[in-house]
Amino acid sequence: KQEVTQIPAALSVPEGENLVLNCSFTDSAIYNLQWFRQDPGKGLTSLLLIQSSQREQTSGRLNASLDKSSGRSTLYIAASQPGDSATYLCAVSNDYKLSFGAGTTVTVRA
Amino acid sequence: DAGITQSPRHKVTETGTPVTLRCHQTENHRYMYWYRQDPGHGLRLIHYSYGVKDTDKGEVSDGYSVSRSKTEDFLLTLESATSSQTSVYFCAISEKDRANTGELFFGEGSRLTVL
Repeated sequence: KQEVTQIPAALSVPEGENLVLNCSFTDSAIYNLQWFRQDPGKGLTSLLLIQSSQREQTSGRLNASLDKSSGRSTLYIAASQPGDSATYLCAVSNDYKLSFGAGTTVTVRA
Repeated sequence: DAGITQSPRHKVTETGTPVTLRCHQTENHRYMYWYRQDPGHGLRLIHYSYGVKDTDKGEVSDGYSVSRSKTEDFLLTLESATSSQTSVYFCAISEKDRANTGELFFGEGSRLTVL
């Protein structure tokens, strides 16, 4: 069974600092990995999708890397802003289903 | 934003009553999923569908059934609600094939409380 772990569970940083969020998974035979953002009381918003053949994916201030052999992905958010405060979840795809991590809750202090 | 609508958004019901949650999409995506989100457990797959009348179980399917009679609608039914089914339920859709879920898009969630 795929196990997905996100460390740390919570993170608080001052505005402007770069964020580094970690995701690890136990089964490296994945098809892709997705990073999501969830605001309180809301659904999940897809941020980045990395296919298994890719090493990284970028969108604006966000950059996600994937090291499938070591079972790790890292989400970098440059120059954090208070609006980046949310819970960030990673999910890995094996066959038809996604397995989710528990998330990292980020607070960016103004 | 992906066109996904969940209804009802909030529901309070009593133990033993049947409950149906509806997910409606306007994207014509083939794959639809029902997840539940609970503190300490994260998101867990209940059931999914890979086409009209084609459904399969996820990891926490006991006590739930689903139906998909049209591409755009995916219904989740709690046959006899229990307090352990108090949760937030999310519908998701995907356009890729079964071997690769592709990018998932989520609805806003349905908060269910079973008293």
